[in-house]
Amino acid sequence: GENVEQHPSTLSVQEGDSAVIKCTYSDSASNYFPWYKQELGKRPQLIIDIRSNVGEKKDQRIAVTLNKTAKHFSLHITETQPEDSAVYFCAATGSARQLTFGSGTQLTVLP
Amino acid sequence: DAGVIQSPRHEVTEMGQEVTLRCKPISGHNSLFWYRQTMMRGLELLIYFNNNVPIDDSGMPEDRFSAKMPNASFSTLKIQPSEPRDSAVYFCASSLAMDPRETQYFGPGTRLLVL
Repeated sequence: GENVEQHPSTLSVQEGDSAVIKCTYSDSASNYFPWYKQELGKRPQLIIDIRSNVGEKKDQRIAVTLNKTAKHFSLHITETQPEDSAVYFCAATGSARQLTFGSGTQLTVLP
Repeated sequence: DAGVIQSPRHEVTEMGQEVTLRCKPISGHNSLFWYRQTMMRGLELLIYFNNNVPIDDSGMPEDRFSAKMPNASFSTLKIQPSEPRDSAVYFCASSLAMDPRETQYFGPGTRLLVL
């Protein structure tokens, strides 16, 4: 089945700096890659996604890039703010056509 | 819409007891998913339903776990007998269709502690 690796597991940045989280996947059949944000004690919520026919997608301060050849995709957050502090999960579909999640990245934005 | 509703929000029980977690998906959503979240294993898909029918339960850890969806607005996840290693946050999620490109909306989760 699909295997999704996510790095780093923890990330601290100064407010206003950029943050980058990277994921790799194993199943070349994967064609959809969402990112979820989970604040402490809350539910995961979709923040952005990308499909395999697109190399990059941007939504305000958040962007995702996808390299299908290398089987990796990344989340970029610019001008980070304290409210960006949370755990971020990447995910990918596989041949089973259901989401496999990465292990999560704890992002801390320092004021 | 109230979103996905789960109950109870917290459950503390003793080893060997039966535990039943409940979920009400978003009205009109045809697919329902049960996930388990732990520090060690992250978010794991346990089972999912489409139009009330279980499609894939390969993520269910063992026979002590069972799930049902008797109608479009209700699902249960049961653990019998419960063990301390079952302690986790259990999320229910729903989506419009089974296509994984449909956004999954998560419920608030049930935090289970088995003593």
